[in-house]
Amino acid sequence: LAKTTQPISMDSYEGQEVNITCSHNNIATNDYITWYQQFPSQGPRFIIQGYKTKVTNEVASLFIPADRKSSTLSLPRVSLSDTAVYYCLVGDSKAAGNKLTFGGGTRVLVKP
Amino acid sequence: DTAVSQTPKYLVTQMGNDKSIKCEQNLGHDTMYWYKQDSKKFLKIMFSYNNKELIINETVPNRFSPKSPDKAHLNLHINSLELGDSAVYFCASSPGQGSFEAFFGQGTRLTVV
Repeated sequence: LAKTTQPISMDSYEGQEVNITCSHNNIATNDYITWYQQFPSQGPRFIIQGYKTKVTNEVASLFIPADRKSSTLSLPRVSLSDTAVYYCLVGDSKAAGNKLTFGGGTRVLVKP
Repeated sequence: DTAVSQTPKYLVTQMGNDKSIKCEQNLGHDTMYWYKQDSKKFLKIMFSYNNKELIINETVPNRFSPKSPDKAHLNLHINSLELGDSAVYFCASSPGQGSFEAFFGQGTRLTVV
């Protein structure tokens, strides 16, 4: 699995856009980029997954440049309830025997 | 209707005891996992089962024994509990072995005293 690097923590304010960048320099051709969100005292929750360019859903957008060596999770107009840890994972989601390997994540604190 | 449910949610027990955590998923998924999240909040995979067969065992001590009676259930039995076993244990499921879209349970906070 490709190793990922993301900031340890980020602070933001309600209503702002939060962008979390994840570096994955040794991403392989078959690897996808997946983001999870974990609220305090809860299990991680799948947010979004992408392979290239841009993916958007009701929760977030994922921007992936052409070289795919990094990706940016964008949370629009955050609220206090978006305070959580966000994990970036990279791997071949279709490979048998593959496993979700979580790094340290980015702790996002949204302030009033 | 909870997709992945674990019981109990909290478990406090003494060193040396044997305890079990149960997990059930109603999503029809083929693959189930156990993860451990320690006090530093690092999430580590322990086991993965696919259709009741063990796929991944991440060098977990033999005191930990997963059991999958059917593909909707993956229970975790822990023998001779130690202080270092204190952590939050998460069960998860996914549609296939390699799928990165997993659904996690609420976790079981195990405290060994």
